[in-house]
Amino acid sequence: EAQVTQNPRYLITVTGKKLTVTCSQNMNHEYMSWYRQDPGLGLRQIYYSMNVEVTDKGDVPEGYKVSRKEKRNFPLILESPSPNQTSLYFCASSSGTSTGELFFGEGSRLTVL
Amino acid sequence: GQQLNQSPQSMFIQEGEDVSMNCTSSSIFNTWLWYKQDPGEGPVLLIALYKAGELTSNGRLTAQFGITRKDSFLNISASIPSDVGIYFCAGTPAGGTSYGKLTFGQGTILTVHP
Repeated sequence: EAQVTQNPRYLITVTGKKLTVTCSQNMNHEYMSWYRQDPGLGLRQIYYSMNVEVTDKGDVPEGYKVSRKEKRNFPLILESPSPNQTSLYFCASSSGTSTGELFFGEGSRLTVL
Repeated sequence: GQQLNQSPQSMFIQEGEDVSMNCTSSSIFNTWLWYKQDPGEGPVLLIALYKAGELTSNGRLTAQFGITRKDSFLNISASIPSDVGIYFCAGTPAGGTSYGKLTFGQGTILTVHP
């Protein structure tokens, strides 16, 4: 089954404790992206990657890091999480780099205390 | 970054009614897309539009890519309870520096009363 898998789905952590949210897709997609969803703000793009070893900033990259060492994986790293990073995070992938036809994961709800 | 203004923010309708929502931008977009998010899940693509003036249907859903390339609308006809969810517009901005970026609207929360 074609899917985008995120882990963990839920996480409560404390300020400053490094964490990684993993994302894996099994569709051999070149394009992957991370979004955060906050009430009233819709989905805002954090980082995206158009292929292995190619990443770029989205609209809200501050406080996040990403890497793309393999085509299927695109982890999101919070080096020193802060409470304003409490949010619902989505990973998505696409076979086209500009069409925007994304397949989304089920989301990871992160709470930073 | 680019801004997309989506309206209305929320809608409460009776089953069987038609629904219309729209999205506008101050700048030109190359692609317009509409997604639906069910509670507790990730968004799912409903319709993708690639050319100015394009009108596309998917069952009871119809969407159009505005002729100015700065807006799009989504219509749902004869709504049913399972239409409940958050609807998002999204677009890829024109311009080489924006390649790979996808901007979303704030979402329209749709509630359908049986």
